[in-house]
Amino acid sequence: AQSVTQLDSQVPVFEEAPVELRCNYSSSVSVYLFWYVQYPNQGLQLLLKYLSGSTLVKGINGFEAEFNKSQTSFHLRKPSVHISDTAEYFCAVSLSGGYNKLIFGAGTRLAVHP
Amino acid sequence: GAGVSQSPSNKVTEKGKDVELRCDPISGHTALYWYRQSLGQGLEFLIYFQGNSAPDKSGLPSDRFSAERTGGSVSTLTIQRTQQEDSAVYLCASSLGTGGNQPQHFGDGTRLSIL
Repeated sequence: AQSVTQLDSQVPVFEEAPVELRCNYSSSVSVYLFWYVQYPNQGLQLLLKYLSGSTLVKGINGFEAEFNKSQTSFHLRKPSVHISDTAEYFCAVSLSGGYNKLIFGAGTRLAVHP
Repeated sequence: GAGVSQSPSNKVTEKGKDVELRCDPISGHTALYWYRQSLGQGLEFLIYFQGNSAPDKSGLPSDRFSAERTGGSVSTLTIQRTQQEDSAVYLCASSLGTGGNQPQHFGDGTRLSIL
């Protein structure tokens, strides 16, 4: 079975500071990795995905993530955050050999303060 | 273009009543998924449709929950004899294909409150 662990439930940060949201996964088979963002009272929006190839993936809104197979991690980073980045962030996996059923982490609430 | 549309956006009902939640996927998307988001359980997979058939219903929590999809498009999730623990946000997503590499596009959800 697959599982996803987001190590921080909440991350407070000041505006224009860098941020890293941590994600580790467990799987006995190959997976695809995703980061989604959820703003209040909205659905989930895809930030970025890792399918194969380069382990550094760039997404929307200046976010990037690095896939580390040996550490089974897929941490999300942004060099300088804005107030508008305040939201809930979810890391998710799906099986590379199967259909696209997503298994989500518990989420990390990013709070950007002025 | 239009995204995934869910209705109603909010639903308040009394315990024991039946509710129907609707999802309109992005046109041309063959795969459709239902998830439930609740405070205690996070985001949970409920059911997956490929066309009109549901190869995986493993996430439906009880036989009070059912879902169907018609015409390869609209899907309805029905909860019979609602209980307070059914209170949650129900999210629908669709994707162009069924492979694990296909990104899912989510609707804004239906917030269900059981009194």
